[in-house]
Amino acid sequence: TQLLEQSPQFLSIQEGENLTVYCNSSSVFSSLQWYRQEPGEGPVLLVTVVTGGEVKKLKRLTFQFGDARKDSSLHITAAQPGDTGLYLCAGARGYSTLTFGKGTMLLVSP
Amino acid sequence: DAGVTQSPTHLIKTRGQQVTLRCSPKSGHDTVSWYQQALGQGPQFIFQYYEEEERQRGNFPDRFSGHQFPNYSSELNVNALLLGDSALYLCASSWGQGESSSSFGSGTQLSVL
Repeated sequence: TQLLEQSPQFLSIQEGENLTVYCNSSSVFSSLQWYRQEPGEGPVLLVTVVTGGEVKKLKRLTFQFGDARKDSSLHITAAQPGDTGLYLCAGARGYSTLTFGKGTMLLVSP
Repeated sequence: DAGVTQSPTHLIKTRGQQVTLRCSPKSGHDTVSWYQQALGQGPQFIFQYYEEEERQRGNFPDRFSGHQFPNYSSELNVNALLLGDSALYLCASSWGQGESSSSFGSGTQLSVL
């Protein structure tokens, strides 16, 4: 059973547009991580959020952690073709074991 | 500073065979976790090795087993392969004391025919 629901599953946009990806959990995790994965590669960590209500920025990417620590969002401003990839959220419990959502496949066209 | 390395990158097996996948953790990491990623899905946790013992296990059958060596490298073994075992197998390493960020390898793509 997937404890993390991501939406949308697929997103196709034009370069320069803004977008938001959502991650909702039925459980509370000690932290929530966002990864980006390209075809044939392993996931690469973008950010870890720990505190309820936390907001982190990574250049054009803004990550929010819900107050109840059960949901998160990723907002990308002025998307670029290089942002194309599979975005995964993952909840962390003890000893660094991760529970992943199914991911959001983002395609940014020039 | 080498990251997580996995071998082989691709593998083709037939049903009923056995397979061994290998992983070397990132320098300074002592914990190895294995994940299975089916097509169109997020990775699913198989098990984690720390101090050469299985510390945690996900919801996978006993056909999936592993080992960790004194140099922290690890192997994942799958017996009696099924078609449904076809997936990308990812290895992640981390520092075992409490929670820490994981670094992932590029994975081994296993195809079972």
